[in-house]
Amino acid sequence: DQQVKQNSPSLSVQEGRISILNCDYTNSMFDYFLWYKKYPAEGPTFLISISSIKDKNEDGRFTVFLNKSAKHLSLHIVPSQPGDSAVYFCAAGLNEKLTFGTGTRLTIIP
Amino acid sequence: DVKVTQSSRYLVKRTGEKVFLECVQDMDHENMFWYRQDPGLGLRLIYFSYDVKMKEKGDIPEGYSVSREKKERFSLILESASTNQTSMYLCASNKRIEGDEQFFGPGTRLTVL
Repeated sequence: DQQVKQNSPSLSVQEGRISILNCDYTNSMFDYFLWYKKYPAEGPTFLISISSIKDKNEDGRFTVFLNKSAKHLSLHIVPSQPGDSAVYFCAAGLNEKLTFGTGTRLTIIP
Repeated sequence: DVKVTQSSRYLVKRTGEKVFLECVQDMDHENMFWYRQDPGLGLRLIYFSYDVKMKEKGDIPEGYSVSREKKERFSLILESASTNQTSMYLCASNKRIEGDEQFFGPGTRLTVL
């Protein structure tokens, strides 16, 4: 039973445009959420997080939105750059443990 | 800079062999984690440790055990490796604070023949 889902396995976006990655979860007890980025042959690196008491968090080009009633979060990257091409994982946290989604491969087209 | 290191980047073992994967972190983190990453399945938690000699099962502990004798070191043990344990293994650590980001090592690509 997948508690955290990323329904788009891949996404292609033109350089300079907005990339929107989506994530859905089923457990309303999750109380914080994170996005990680992963390049091939490297470990995931943390991008941005959001607490369940907020609905938006921004850090430079990256913004995470949380809709608790819909159990949905999204990551917006504006503007998209070639170096953003990677696999993105969302993760939901509870009791210091994370449950990860299956990942979305983002390709930025120059 | 936080550093999480893993003993091997690539490992090839035979079915039935005992396999040790080592992870070391240098930031005095209380929590350490072992995940495996498989295509289409994301990262799945195998085991978690929040203190020396303490461990908790994650979502997929079957076929694995762990050891945490020192705060900085967390070992994953495959008692008798099987082909379905071929995977990318990732170690992570963080402080014992709810919401703290986890820092990941580079991963070990294990192939069991």
